[in-house]
Amino acid sequence: ETGVTQSPTHLIKTRGQQVTLRCSSQSGHNTVSWYQQALGQGPQFIFQYYREEENGRGNFPPRFSGLQFPNYSSELNVNALELDDSALYLCASSSGGSPETQYFGPGTRLLVL
Amino acid sequence: KNEVEQSPQNLTAQEGEFITINCSYSVGISALHWLQQHPGGGIVSLFMLSSGKKKHGRLIATINIQEKHSSLHITASHPRDSAVYICAALSGGYNKLIFGAGTRLAVHP
Repeated sequence: ETGVTQSPTHLIKTRGQQVTLRCSSQSGHNTVSWYQQALGQGPQFIFQYYREEENGRGNFPPRFSGLQFPNYSSELNVNALELDDSALYLCASSSGGSPETQYFGPGTRLLVL
Repeated sequence: KNEVEQSPQNLTAQEGEFITINCSYSVGISALHWLQQHPGGGIVSLFMLSSGKKKHGRLIATINIQEKHSSLHITASHPRDSAVYICAALSGGYNKLIFGAGTRLAVHP
């Protein structure tokens, strides 16, 4: 158990819809990173939030957006869903030091039909 | 070419065998993670190392910064070690993780 939780665990959407995934960080962690893991591949970095501000972004289009709240929980929003968005979405929290261990949540498995 | 490459992609072993998984990277890093992912998706961090060697139980991780190469060793492998092992380079000013594709390990009794 890492203390990082994600909801929902599974989700089915159709093309064009919007989805919000949630992540609750480990206590005391002010940094959260989101990753997308397609089937059979390693995770890909989407973005990172540090103290409610986006702190870095990978090669994902603007329809992938996020929020971090004052309690350091976080949301990943994806608009205009495409079939290729089907993946496991992982969040990882850390305390903001460098370098540091990231603690992963169990993931949300999204299927877009 | 991916920035983080792992080999082999798939590995099958008999219980008790010594296992080595290799990771090479081409980016500048502040540290390298070895992670374990079980079916269902949950990822557990095994090691974070920036030099030398770390050991935890039957797991040993080494890194050679000059050669940009790391290895994960499992001694006396057991069926419960069956999982996907992923190396990830911690890179960039904001500690972005760049992942390898993973090595799928199956240990048979």
